[in-house]
Amino acid sequence: EPEVTQTPSHQVTQMGQEVILRCVPISNHLYFYWYRQILGQKVEFLVSFYNNEISEKSEIFDDQFSVERPDGSNFTLKIRSTKLEDSAMYFCASSATHTGELFFGEGSRLTVL
Amino acid sequence: GNSVTQMEGPVTLSEEAFLTINCTYTATGYPSLFWYVQYPGEGLQLLLKATKADDKGSNKGFEATYRKETTSFHLEKGSVQVSDSAVYFCALSDPGANSKLTFGKGITLSVRP
Repeated sequence: EPEVTQTPSHQVTQMGQEVILRCVPISNHLYFYWYRQILGQKVEFLVSFYNNEISEKSEIFDDQFSVERPDGSNFTLKIRSTKLEDSAMYFCASSATHTGELFFGEGSRLTVL
Repeated sequence: GNSVTQMEGPVTLSEEAFLTINCTYTATGYPSLFWYVQYPGEGLQLLLKATKADDKGSNKGFEATYRKETTSFHLEKGSVQVSDSAVYFCALSDPGANSKLTFGKGITLSVRP
C-alpha cells in the first residue's frame, strides 16, 4: 500500500541551526501539507502546498519556515534558525484531491537544545 | 475560527468494555468531520469520517454520528480490544479550505487484557 515516508525520524539540533525535514508523498498525490504537534498539545496546521506554491499557511509558519518540492518527489520543510519552541513532532501529509483524505507520514521528531 | 475539543485523557479500559470518546466542534459553514488514529510508532491514519449532518461514519467496529444540533462527533465502540490501544484524534475540515484539518488534542486509549 502506498505510504508517505518521512526522514529523519528523530533529529536533535542546537538552537540557531538550520534543519531540513524531508517527506516523500504518495506518488500520484497533488496536495501536500506539514503539521506539527508540540508535546501534549494539539496537532497544528503549518502549511499546504499545491502546484509548486504555498496555497495556505498558518500564523506559525513565519519567515523562519520554508517549503520546497525540489525534484517532483520530495517535499521538504526547512527551519532556518531553530528555536527551543520549535521542538515538536512534524507530520507530512498528502492528498489526491483538495477535498480528499489526507495520508500522513510517521512524523519527524525535532528536538532543539 | 474553527476548533475541536476532545475529552481529557488518558482512558484505560478492560478488553471488551464499551468505549465513548467525546468530541465537539466549533465551525463556520458545514465542515466534514473525522476521527484519526495513531498506533504506536506509526503515522496518523483515517479511522472514519462523516461529511454531512446525521451521517454515520464506521470502520473496524468504531462508529461516530455527525450531530449538527449538538455540534458533536463522539466516537464509540461496543467492545474494545487490546489492539485498539492508540491515540485518537478528532478533526474537522472546512469544505472550502483546501483539505486543511483542524485537530483536537488527541486522547490516549489503553486497553488491558
